[in-house]
Amino acid sequence: AQSVAQPEDQVNVAEGNPLTVKCTYSVSGNPYLFWYVQYPNRGLQFLLKYITGDNLVKGSYGFEAEFNKSQTSFHLKKPSALVSDSALYFCAVRDGSSNTGKLIFGQGTTLQVKP
Amino acid sequence: EAGVAQSPRYKIIEKRQSVAFWCNPISGHATLYWYQQILGQGPKLLIQFQNNGVVDDSQLPKDRFSAERLKGVDSTLKIQPAKLEDSAVYLCASSLDPGAGLFFGSGTQLSVL
Repeated sequence: AQSVAQPEDQVNVAEGNPLTVKCTYSVSGNPYLFWYVQYPNRGLQFLLKYITGDNLVKGSYGFEAEFNKSQTSFHLKKPSALVSDSALYFCAVRDGSSNTGKLIFGQGTTLQVKP
Repeated sequence: EAGVAQSPRYKIIEKRQSVAFWCNPISGHATLYWYQQILGQGPKLLIQFQNNGVVDDSQLPKDRFSAERLKGVDSTLKIQPAKLEDSAVYLCASSLDPGAGLFFGSGTQLSVL
């Protein structure tokens, strides 16, 4: 069965510092991995995805994520955090070997960037 | 390109009442999803359509929840009768195909009193 774990409920960083939001996954087939961001009273917005290829994936708003197969991780990173990055972040996984495309989400991590 | 449209934005009902949500996906997107997001949790898939056929409804409480996607475009999700634990945000999403990224609507926030 597929599962996603986001071990931190909240991450606090100072503006200008690098940030990391952690994600580990479990899937029986090939992992398709995604990060979404949710602002208050808004739907989820797609940030980036890993399907195949380079382990370092670049996405929207300066975010990137690194796929690590041996550690089954897909941590979200940004070199320099902005106050406007404060939001709820979700990691999600799909079994790429399945053609149904069911996307399983983690429980979310709140990112708080302080000025 | 217009995004995924959902209505209503908010809904407050009493338990045992019925409620319906509507979703219009991005034009041309064959795959449509309904997710339930309870406060403090990640979204949970309720049902997935490919065109007008159901691909996955394994987590849909079928005794009270129903969904349809007539003509493979718009979709409605209904709850009858509602329970207190149904209070959540109901998110609709669509994608070109099951392997593509999902685009989400703003959701319908349901409060059951």
